[in-house]
Amino acid sequence: DAKTTQPNSMESNEEEPVHLPCNHSTISGTDYIHWYRQLPSQGPEYVIHGLTSNVNNRMASLAIAEDRKSSTLILHRATLRDAAVYYCILHFGNEKLTFGTGTRLTIIP
Amino acid sequence: DSGVTQTPKHLITATGQRVTLRCSPRSGDLSVYWYQQSLDQGLQFLIQYYNGEERAKGNILERFSAQQFPDLHSELNLSSLELGDSALYFCASSVYGTNYGYTFGSGTRLTVV
Repeated sequence: DAKTTQPNSMESNEEEPVHLPCNHSTISGTDYIHWYRQLPSQGPEYVIHGLTSNVNNRMASLAIAEDRKSSTLILHRATLRDAAVYYCILHFGNEKLTFGTGTRLTIIP
Repeated sequence: DSGVTQTPKHLITATGQRVTLRCSPRSGDLSVYWYQQSLDQGLQFLIQYYNGEERAKGNILERFSAQQFPDLHSELNLSSLELGDSALYFCASSVYGTNYGYTFGSGTRLTVV
């Protein structure tokens, strides 16, 4: 499985934007970039995914570098409910999702 | 409610015993995945089923087995339980062959005493 690298932890102030980085220098041409998050005591939750172009949905935006070797998950206005572990995962087709250690995001009131 | 239902939510059992965890996938999803999450191991993939057939295996112990039934629900059987099997067990489902997100259940917390 292609590997991703994320910071272990990040902090952000409430109601400010959050940029969560992910490096994936060995990404293959068919790999999609997926983001999931896991709130305390809950199962992982799909956030967003993309292939080459930037993507927006109601939860977040995904900015993908032109060479696809890195990406950034953007939470436009963090709330306390966004405190979670965020996982950046390379994924193709029906393969299993391989979770790394993710980034633990702390929101400061 | 994610649409993936896992039962029971909590399970406490003794070492050496056998338990069965159940997962009902989201309507229309044919693939089911099982994951184990313990404090020191993170989320570990165990096994995948598609429409009743095993498709991929991860770090699943021989004491563990799973199956997917014709109605697409899946069961994970854990036998000869050890203290180290205490963990959260998650089930996820997806539409096969697409690159859409997977939907996870809220998990079963297994405590072996």
